[in-house]
Amino acid sequence: QSALTQPASVSGSPGQSITISCTGTSSDIGGYKYVSWHQQHPGKAPKLMIYDVSNRPSGVSDRFSGSKSGNTASLTISGLQAEDEADYYCSSYTSSTTLVFGGGTKVTVL
Amino acid sequence: QVQLVQSGAEVKKPGASVKVSCKASGYTFIYFTMHWVRQAPGQGPEWMGRINPNTGDTNYAQKFQGRVTMTRDTSISTAYMEVSRLGSDDTAVYYCARGKPTGYLDYWGQGTLVTVSS
Repeated sequence: QSALTQPASVSGSPGQSITISCTGTSSDIGGYKYVSWHQQHPGKAPKLMIYDVSNRPSGVSDRFSGSKSGNTASLTISGLQAEDEADYYCSSYTSSTTLVFGGGTKVTVL
Repeated sequence: QVQLVQSGAEVKKPGASVKVSCKASGYTFIYFTMHWVRQAPGQGPEWMGRINPNTGDTNYAQKFQGRVTMTRDTSISTAYMEVSRLGSDDTAVYYCARGKPTGYLDYWGQGTLVTVSS
């Protein structure tokens, strides 16, 4: 199972909106509504930010939103803040009943 | 509150095995699958497999089949993951994470650094 494809880096100024893409295949992202997104700060464990494409766990800011179209999922962060600077990883359920992750996107707040 | 507490860092020689533990608290252990994910330095996470703590059934990523064993002890709400025949490319932080029915991972352990070096 190949890793999902994410851009290596995305940057934005405070208050702006940014979008991170995550591209897979019809055997993972395209075949299921089971995409999730995690935020990871250096030296910390990943934190769930979005599940089942567009749902936010309790306690996650509504500045984070998710969507999917075909084989590509997206994470949008609106009203960018300094604390949003981190690595972001997408993941998807697959037709092999496994999970697959993306390579990660480093978000920089300018 | 849900907590997953993992065992401490390990240093192993090539060819050795390592066993990492993950103690769960704050929820009913047998109700949720437990996944193991590793992350090599500077890399993205890599899914290794899952165990159903209720039945003991496992599902491993093809890459790790035959070299990884996931077990559990329901009496102490603890999951284990053992990797055999370690090589230098197994140096990574290993995480356990609680799995929900649609596959997402909602709580993660703090991670266990495994270093393989001669």
